[in-house]
Amino acid sequence: DVKVTQSSRYLVKRTGEKVFLECVQDMDHENMFWYRQDPGLGLRLIYFSYDVKMKEKGDIPEGYSVSREKKERFSLILESASTNQTSMYLCASSTPRLPWNEQFFGPGTRLTVL
Amino acid sequence: GENVEQHPSTLSVQEGDSAVIKCTYSDSASNYFPWYKQELGKRPQLIIDIRSNVGEKKDQRIAVTLNKTAKHFSLHITETQPEDSAVYFCAGTTSGTYKYIFGTGTRLKVLA
Repeated sequence: DVKVTQSSRYLVKRTGEKVFLECVQDMDHENMFWYRQDPGLGLRLIYFSYDVKMKEKGDIPEGYSVSREKKERFSLILESASTNQTSMYLCASSTPRLPWNEQFFGPGTRLTVL
Repeated sequence: GENVEQHPSTLSVQEGDSAVIKCTYSDSASNYFPWYKQELGKRPQLIIDIRSNVGEKKDQRIAVTLNKTAKHFSLHITETQPEDSAVYFCAGTTSGTYKYIFGTGTRLKVLA
């Protein structure tokens, strides 16, 4: 089974703090994604990466950056957290070796910025 | 830009009734349409999918239909059960790309 894990289920941070969200997958997947999930807005893509050290902006990259130094790990960074970044963050991974690049999700990190 | 619209946003049905969730897509190049189910507090998981060369696909109580001309696809759940209560997301993508475009989700409640 594909396993995608995220470093924290719940996180509380203060405005202005630098926040790191970590995602690890154990299936040697090439592609990794960060989404944020908000009620009524669905899953919105923040950034994705199709290879180590490669990244592309998604639909809502403002206020976020990412890092992919190793194939299995994809980090989302909030340089200076703001209250409007309070949300559920989901990581996903996929591989072109599987049909249609099926995406496998992590359990999510619920981030609250006070 | 590419867009997937999903309706309704919430849906309540009596146990045993059917539920239908509809999605429309804007990119005519889209050729693969997965559906994900997210139970409360859990991760989204793929439950069924359909390719553009197929009009309908069934898996026990769930089915998906696709109308390429109208650019819409639907999820049908028959004989609903309480464990079907969840948020359902549709998505569209094009072969050779990595990105999925997700709909905004439908919260389905099955009332006992």
